[in-house]
Amino acid sequence: DSGVTQTPKHLITATGQRVTLRCSPRSGDLSVYWYQQSLDQGLQFLIQYYNGEERAKGNILERFSAQQFPDLHSELNLSSLELGDSALYFCASSVAPINSGANVLTFGAGSRLTVL
Amino acid sequence: AQKVTQAQTEISVVEKEDVTLDCVYETRDTTYYLFWYKQPPSGELVFLIRRNSFDEQNEISGRYSWNFQKSTSSFNFTITASQVVDSAVYFCAVPYSGAGSYQLTFGKGTKLSVIP
Repeated sequence: DSGVTQTPKHLITATGQRVTLRCSPRSGDLSVYWYQQSLDQGLQFLIQYYNGEERAKGNILERFSAQQFPDLHSELNLSSLELGDSALYFCASSVAPINSGANVLTFGAGSRLTVL
Repeated sequence: AQKVTQAQTEISVVEKEDVTLDCVYETRDTTYYLFWYKQPPSGELVFLIRRNSFDEQNEISGRYSWNFQKSTSSFNFTITASQVVDSAVYFCAVPYSGAGSYQLTFGKGTKLSVIP
């Protein structure tokens, strides 16, 4: 167990729907990262939060949004879902400082989203 | 921009053979870190190693060893006497800095199959 908890583990939904993925970081970690893993694109960075504030955005679609709450858990919201959004979504956390490339990211087990 | 190339998409070896996974990276930073992660069939991403660009000494941890060569921008990973449990997808990663924080840029991964 990595200490990063993601729910749900699996999710099947239909095109056009909206889903929310949840992540609880490791105790003491202030930074949360979201990654998308798909067969064609590999592991893509989506967005990063640090202590409740958005710090960096990657290849995140406008239909997707995220937030980090005061208790440091994070949610990734995916709306108007398309078939191509089917992927494994990972949350990772790391301890500060975020301005260091030495940070080791600890990943959760992922949430597998299937859009039918 | 940071980029990681793992030219080997899939490798199959027979148990007890040695295998080397290649990683070539590009980075705009003069000092940086490099990472390897493992994704077993269960799906989670597991941190294996972090190396500092200052230190070009090879590192060995049990059956695992890493060869870092700054001159060729390579950070190769060797498994000695492979075992079936080594079957996984292995990712090389380099941090990418944007707006004062770092995220990991991953290669496409190398799928290793160890045949008993």
